[in-house]
Amino acid sequence: QKEVEQNSGPLSVPEGAIASLNCTYSDRGSQSFFWYRQYSGKSPELIMSIYSNGDKEDGRFTAQLNKASQYVSLLIRDSQPSDSATYLCAAPIQGAQKLVFGQGTRLTINP
Amino acid sequence: SAVISQKPSRDICQRGTSLTIQCQVDSQVTMMFWYRQQPGQSLTLIATANQGSEATYESGFVIDKFPISRPNLTFSTLTVSNMSPEDSSIYLCSASGARETQYFGPGTRLLVL
Repeated sequence: QKEVEQNSGPLSVPEGAIASLNCTYSDRGSQSFFWYRQYSGKSPELIMSIYSNGDKEDGRFTAQLNKASQYVSLLIRDSQPSDSATYLCAAPIQGAQKLVFGQGTRLTINP
Repeated sequence: SAVISQKPSRDICQRGTSLTIQCQVDSQVTMMFWYRQQPGQSLTLIATANQGSEATYESGFVIDKFPISRPNLTFSTLTVSNMSPEDSSIYLCSASGARETQYFGPGTRLLVL
């Protein structure tokens, strides 16, 4: 079983709608979770981190963490064409600072 | 967050040669990492660059093929040795931040002919 799994893409969302990206993880000891955005031809950019159960909001982005269900999600409100990118979920391997990345979800926002 | 630069940004190399990629961070960081990203794929960790000691390699990656140096807390190099076309990829370095966050450099795009 992969340590971090993301829902398969590509995901297509109309402009102005809510984009929902999902991620599950296998290590119950994981305490930190990260969402990265990667534009085509660019390197990953950290957009959200979450450490506690519940929601964390930052502008149009909301990260949700449910440790009991081992589930992390990223919601993007009022989606814009500039949000079109691949979104990577990541979690550290317990006892180490190295991150394990999901396979990524390619998101396209249609004008 | 740390600002990270990499050199070269891209290169085209002949098989059998070696390329050294440099990674510079604008502040001292505890941990630095090297990743590989194949086209259309996610990131695969190659190794953790340890300051003052040998790098820690992930399964499937060996020191002879990917020697790494970390002479201080702001700089690291990754060498891709005896290259073959299968080594064509994007190579990314990252640096640790607070609470296990990582920040990435712009990447080095390598094509081996």
